[in-house]
Amino acid sequence: GQNIDQPTEMTATEGAIVQINCTYQTSGFNGLFWYQQHAGEAPTFLSYNVLDGLEEKGRFSSFLSRSKGYSYLLLKELQMKDSASYLCAGLDSNYQLIWGAGTKLIIKP
Amino acid sequence: IAGITQAPTSQILAAGRRMTLRCTQDMRHNAMYWYRQDLGLGLRLIHYSNTAGTTGKGEVPDGYSVSRANTDDFPLTLASAVPSQTSVYFCASSPQGGEDEQFFGPGTRLTVL
Repeated sequence: GQNIDQPTEMTATEGAIVQINCTYQTSGFNGLFWYQQHAGEAPTFLSYNVLDGLEEKGRFSSFLSRSKGYSYLLLKELQMKDSASYLCAGLDSNYQLIWGAGTKLIIKP
Repeated sequence: IAGITQAPTSQILAAGRRMTLRCTQDMRHNAMYWYRQDLGLGLRLIHYSNTAGTTGKGEVPDGYSVSRANTDDFPLTLASAVPSQTSVYFCASSPQGGEDEQFFGPGTRLTVL
């Protein structure tokens, strides 16, 4: 079966660093996406990884290990506006996204 | 219009009624998608369209139908609504599908009583 696992909720402090993990099992694999979703709003794209390694984009970085079926999203210098849900999604052999339930990130001052 | 829009924003519907959720994009994207999002579950794909004139079934298509008469519009119809279809519905589009980023509409919150 196809499955995306990520923690339900995480708490971090403003200014700190947080890593949100995601493990995936998909029928075929064509890449891994991360989206951000603020409460009551639509998801917005953060990153796409298809090759192993770390991709950095400002305060956000995303890592992929295809051999381990594992990805993480790293958020640095946390700001209150980073309080949101972070959605991990794997692109399967049919090029359809399989979504995790999301990780709700709570930032405390 | 800028980007992707959905209508209505929210709706309360009696069970058994027919309802069409509208989705329009002005980005000339070929691929469009309908998802539902329920608490504690990931986004689930209902139907998709890779290009105008074609549609396909996603993970949870039962009770829903779609059409793609042109590039811009991708309406989702519930033929006879049931309470289990209470959800937030998101429409999304991407340039060519696949590994392209998906752009989401603001969502429609639907309650079926």
